[in-house]
Amino acid sequence: SAVISQKPSRDICQRGTSLTIQCQVDSQVTMMFWYRQQPGQSLTLIATANQGSEATYESGFVIDKFPISRPNLTFSTLTVSNMSPEDSSIYLCSVDGQGIGGYTFGSGTRLTVV
Amino acid sequence: AQSVTQLDSQVPVFEEAPVELRCNYSSSVSVYLFWYVQYPNQGLQLLLKYLSGSTLVKGINGFEAEFNKSQTSFHLRKPSVHISDTAEYFCAVSEQGYSTLTFGKGTMLLVSP
Repeated sequence: SAVISQKPSRDICQRGTSLTIQCQVDSQVTMMFWYRQQPGQSLTLIATANQGSEATYESGFVIDKFPISRPNLTFSTLTVSNMSPEDSSIYLCSVDGQGIGGYTFGSGTRLTVV
Repeated sequence: AQSVTQLDSQVPVFEEAPVELRCNYSSSVSVYLFWYVQYPNQGLQLLLKYLSGSTLVKGINGFEAEFNKSQTSFHLRKPSVHISDTAEYFCAVSEQGYSTLTFGKGTMLLVSP
């Protein structure tokens, strides 16, 4: 299965600033997914990123707050913009590296906004 | 749209005892089913998956799950747990032909000596 390198692993940020999270995959994948896991909660899909097209956002998430880049088939970034304490969560990227059923997750970015 | 219900938020169990973590799903179409484990301060690791074929699926670390279409369930079982199995377990579903996963709220498995 695909191996994902996600960074940073954790960060503490001031409110009003932005943080960019990077995911690098060791193989080419068509779709990359970004999830948010709020404290004590399950995972919620933020958006799906395909190379060469705009990301598709889920209800409740907007591009101005969570801009995503997907410059090639092995890399994606998620930016959390104008952060507030409510953005404190774990953010994870995921790929479907083997076709349906081969979902792999990065180790996550633990974000604390103060 | 599909949904996933994990009936227990927390399951305490003694070491070497058997355990079952329950998962029910709802979908109007055929689905793929997954169990993931999340150890403290780590990402998600795939335990096992059901795509098609045999309804009894064996995964890593001695875990297995059984797909029951009539009950719309996919319960996770292990005959004898270890302290190291203490973690959060997530059941997830995706509709066949569509890549997005929907997760349950998770079940915290607490194994004590």
